[in-house]
This record gives sequence, C-alpha cells and structure tokens, in this order.
Amino acid sequence: AQSVAQPEDQVNVAEGNPLTVKCTYSVSGNPYLFWYVQYPNRGLQFLLKYITGDNLVKGSYGFEAEFNKSQTSFHLKKPSALVSDSALYFCAVRDVQAGTALIFGKGTTLSVSS
Amino acid sequence: DTGVSQNPRHKITKRGQNVTFRCDPISEHNRLYWYRQTLGQGPEFLTYFQNEAQLEKSRLLSDRFSAERPKGSFSTLEIQRTEQGDSAMYLCASSLYPGAGNQPQHFGDGTRLSIL
Repeated sequence: AQSVAQPEDQVNVAEGNPLTVKCTYSVSGNPYLFWYVQYPNRGLQFLLKYITGDNLVKGSYGFEAEFNKSQTSFHLKKPSALVSDSALYFCAVRDVQAGTALIFGKGTTLSVSS
Repeated sequence: DTGVSQNPRHKITKRGQNVTFRCDPISEHNRLYWYRQTLGQGPEFLTYFQNEAQLEKSRLLSDRFSAERPKGSFSTLEIQRTEQGDSAMYLCASSLYPGAGNQPQHFGDGTRLSIL
C-alpha cells in the first residue's frame, strides 16, 4: 500500500536559518513526489515535484527538495527561511502504476520566528 | 489566469440534510479531483473525472456521496443524509492530462462543511 510519512508535526526555525521538512514514502512502483503548502482556510498551493531525472528539484519561493531513492525520502529544504514561509506543508506521492490519486502525509507545521 | 473555484466556501447544515458543492476547474484542465481533509490530516482522495467520465472512486466515497461532471467542465459533489462525520473541508483539484511532463494538481480553496 502507498503511504507518506512526515515524522515531525512541527518544525521551528529562526528567520535566515536553513530549514528542512522531512518526508518519507512507500510505494510499490515508481513514485511521483510533490510538495504543497497550505495557508489557513485556503487550499493547497503546489511548490515542486519530482518525476524523473536530477535528484535535486527546485521549486517556487526558493524551495528545493532532494529525492533519495535508497532512503525513500523527499525532504523539503530552503537555504534561508522567511517569516512568511510559516504555513502547513504537505508531502504527497503518486504511484505511477497504481492510479492518479495523490496520497498525502499528515502535514508539518513550519514556524519561522523573527 | 483564474484558478480552481469552489462554492460555497462554507456550509453549515443540520444532520440528515443533503448538501451540494460545486467546483469550477481551470478551464483547459480535463481532469478533476475531489478530496476530503479533516482537521490535522492531509487530504484524502475521493474520486476523479477525466472529462465527463468518473474513472476512479475511493472506498471513502460511500453510497451517500455522488459526484458528477456532466459536460466535462464544472463538477458537483452531493452528500445525502449528512452525518456528523461528514464535517470536513472538501477540496477540488484539476490538472491537464497528459500535458507536458506530469502536470501537478491545482487545488481550490475548498468548501468547509459543518454538520450541526
């Protein structure tokens, strides 16, 4: 069965410091991986995706993510956090062989302090 | 560039009533998805359409739930005989298939359903 784990409910970081939000996944086939961000009372905004190719993927707002097949991980990173990055972040996976539905993790709340 | 639009944004109803939500996808998108999100959880897939055809339904979609996309444009999600457990945010997403590469799903702001 497909699954996504986000082991941290909350990540706290000071403005200007690097941030990492962790994600591990489990699929039977090849994964398509995604990160989305959600602000209060809003839908999800797409940040970036990994389909194939370079393991380091760059996305919106200075975010990037590294795909690690051996560790089945897809951690979200940013070199320098902003207060405005504070939000709820979701990792999602799609098993290429299993259908089109996205399987989401439970989400990680990122809090950036000034 | 208009995004995915969902109406209403909020719906409060009494248990046992029927409710219907509407989703207008991004105009050129042929795939439309419905998800449900409860507090503290990530979205859970309910169903998706390619054009007007409903191609996949989750086991979460009980027989009280029905979704339509009659002309391959907007979609409606109806819940009959609502129950307390139906209280959630209902999210709609759309994407272009096949598109260039694997196109991401773009989400609307959701309809928050509260059952009294």
